[in-house]
Amino acid sequence: NAGVTQTPKFQVLKTGQSMTLQCAQDMNHNSMYWYRQDPGMGLRLIYYSASEGTTDKGEVPNGYNVSRLNKREFSLRLESAAPSQTSVYFCASKGTISYNEQFFGPGTRLTVL
Amino acid sequence: TQLLEQSPQFLSIQEGENLTVYCNSSSVFSSLQWYRQEPGEGPVLLVTVVTGGEVKKLKRLTFQFGDARKDSSLHITAAQPGDTGLYLCAGESGSARQLTFGSGTQLTVLP
Repeated sequence: NAGVTQTPKFQVLKTGQSMTLQCAQDMNHNSMYWYRQDPGMGLRLIYYSASEGTTDKGEVPNGYNVSRLNKREFSLRLESAAPSQTSVYFCASKGTISYNEQFFGPGTRLTVL
Repeated sequence: TQLLEQSPQFLSIQEGENLTVYCNSSSVFSSLQWYRQEPGEGPVLLVTVVTGGEVKKLKRLTFQFGDARKDSSLHITAAQPGDTGLYLCAGESGSARQLTFGSGTQLTVLP
């Protein structure tokens, strides 16, 4: 039981390049989330998926797209990376038993030059 | 956008001291959670408080939810170096039950 896994762990991009961050959970959770964490700003929600087949914008969705591939997987895509997207990205999932407890992956540290 | 203000932002204390971290908002939350995050890892849930005025204890950590469900505090008694980490509060609200995170308190406990 690995919980929430994310790949890659580190990535360096040049401005304008694209990439997809992968996230998978093995806890049979319905809801999945993508956050970014910047110094002094806590975690900010980018996109979330309340269930398979649905996605919704969070607080900071501009410049990102997501795909809920199936119940296990939720990917985040940067079509044209910008230096302002340099951040640590966390994926999380939530089940229906605990009171909105979210389980987080280990994060992807992204640098855009 | 709802905001959660955490204070202090940084806290460095000696082993054995007590400390309190505050989480304040002008918005009402249906629940409030506290997470701890270690370097290079994702946040891990410590506790969820749901009822206004609720107090929960987790060993040396005491969590309180304000009566109006707008604020919360985390008190650590006799801090230990193992308590070092980033403490985040997060409030749940709205029909989508999204979490709004505070900016965090970086705690360092010196031996």
